[in-house]
Amino acid sequence: GAGVSQSPRYKVTKRGQDVALRCDPISGHVSLYWYRQALGQGPEFLTYFNYEAQQDKSGLPNDRFSAERPEGSISTLTIQRTEQRDSAMYRCASSNLAGDSYNEQFFGPGTRLTVL
Amino acid sequence: EDQVTQSPEALRLQEGESSSLNCSYTVSGLRGLFWYRQDPGKGPEFLFTLYSAGEEKEKERLKATLTKKESFLHITAPKPEDSATYLCAVQSTQGGATNKLIFGTGTLLAVQP
Repeated sequence: GAGVSQSPRYKVTKRGQDVALRCDPISGHVSLYWYRQALGQGPEFLTYFNYEAQQDKSGLPNDRFSAERPEGSISTLTIQRTEQRDSAMYRCASSNLAGDSYNEQFFGPGTRLTVL
Repeated sequence: EDQVTQSPEALRLQEGESSSLNCSYTVSGLRGLFWYRQDPGKGPEFLFTLYSAGEEKEKERLKATLTKKESFLHITAPKPEDSATYLCAVQSTQGGATNKLIFGTGTLLAVQP
């Protein structure tokens, strides 16, 4: 596709339920990133992948959060046993390792997660 | 600890009134400094990457500059459509090959006609 897409755009769930958020990066982009953004704040890093390998997961807040990218394209961020404090905008970004613009990360529209 | 601080938090300008936004950073080693624009309800939109002190980049009414401690986003003769939140982020050499971005909290710019 032309840009990074994320689904669902909005997710409302009850406390204790598991949720899976999906990210489809720009076609051909090698690197994929997950961020979380609170209202009035900048995005906060969660984790990132090069191809299917998870390179850095230092930003995942606890072991209820996990991410995978099994075929090096689409990625899923899973939150188990959701809590109200998990409510936020979850953003995905992708970048291409090749060329002069390898560092530029392009963001998707985000998934707004609300935990009741 | 790597850190990014943006000022002011909010800025209101009249159309045509030039100004600058500031991004101060503390980082063990700078791989790159990034500016993004974010409109309400949308994801950040990439504007510029700066890699070394003294570097400048321009795009329409925007010019980004970089020193060893801070970056400025200069807005010349702004128009109402320049209204948005402007985010600054850094990539650090700390931690090896990580490409994560460390963001500031942004400057909310409002340009009145």
